[in-house]
Amino acid sequence: GAVVSQHPSRVICKSGTSVKIECRSLDFQATTMFWYRQFPKQSLMLMATSNEGSKATYEQGVEKDKFLINHASLTLSTLTVTSAHPEDSSFYICSLDRGDTEAFFGQGTRLTVV
Amino acid sequence: SQQGEEDPQALSIQEGENATMNCSYKTSINNLQWYRQNSGRGLVHLILIRSNEREKHSGRLRVTLDTSKKSSSLLITASRAADTASYFCATDKGGKLIFGQGTELSVKP
Repeated sequence: GAVVSQHPSRVICKSGTSVKIECRSLDFQATTMFWYRQFPKQSLMLMATSNEGSKATYEQGVEKDKFLINHASLTLSTLTVTSAHPEDSSFYICSLDRGDTEAFFGQGTRLTVV
Repeated sequence: SQQGEEDPQALSIQEGENATMNCSYKTSINNLQWYRQNSGRGLVHLILIRSNEREKHSGRLRVTLDTSKKSSSLLITASRAADTASYFCATDKGGKLIFGQGTELSVKP
């Protein structure tokens, strides 16, 4: 099955700095990948759909200028949290879709902004 | 909110007992998926059930789907302490997953 590698697994950054999270598809050419966010004790919420070679589609309420998504190749999507603030501290996780099968998720990234 | 609802939000049982979690959703679906998440970690896929299926089994897991009621249930039989985790249902909408609020299961040895 497809394997998704997400890096880093944990990151601590200072308020005001930017953090980049990578999501790689290791054995599948992914034209579409998804980014989710999960706050403590809550469920996962879809943030955006990453489209290879075109702009990402953001869900309502997600600031596209704050969460920059780049999907420049069929195997890599990146999420950059710009000017991070403590309220951006969360668990971020990517997935890729292979049609009508289960989603394949990365390992997730726990971001802590101090 | 597009999110589905799950109940119970938390469930505490003894090892060996069965655990049942329920999920309701709002829109039509292609399929419904169940995932498990250990504390603070990634998601593990458990079962996918398609909209034209009513029941599916995988080991100690049994999933039902009632599209007329827009609901699904996950049954874990003969639970083990290692089953302690959060369980989420998710409906597939064109590849996007809409997650339920989750059930936190605690299995006491």
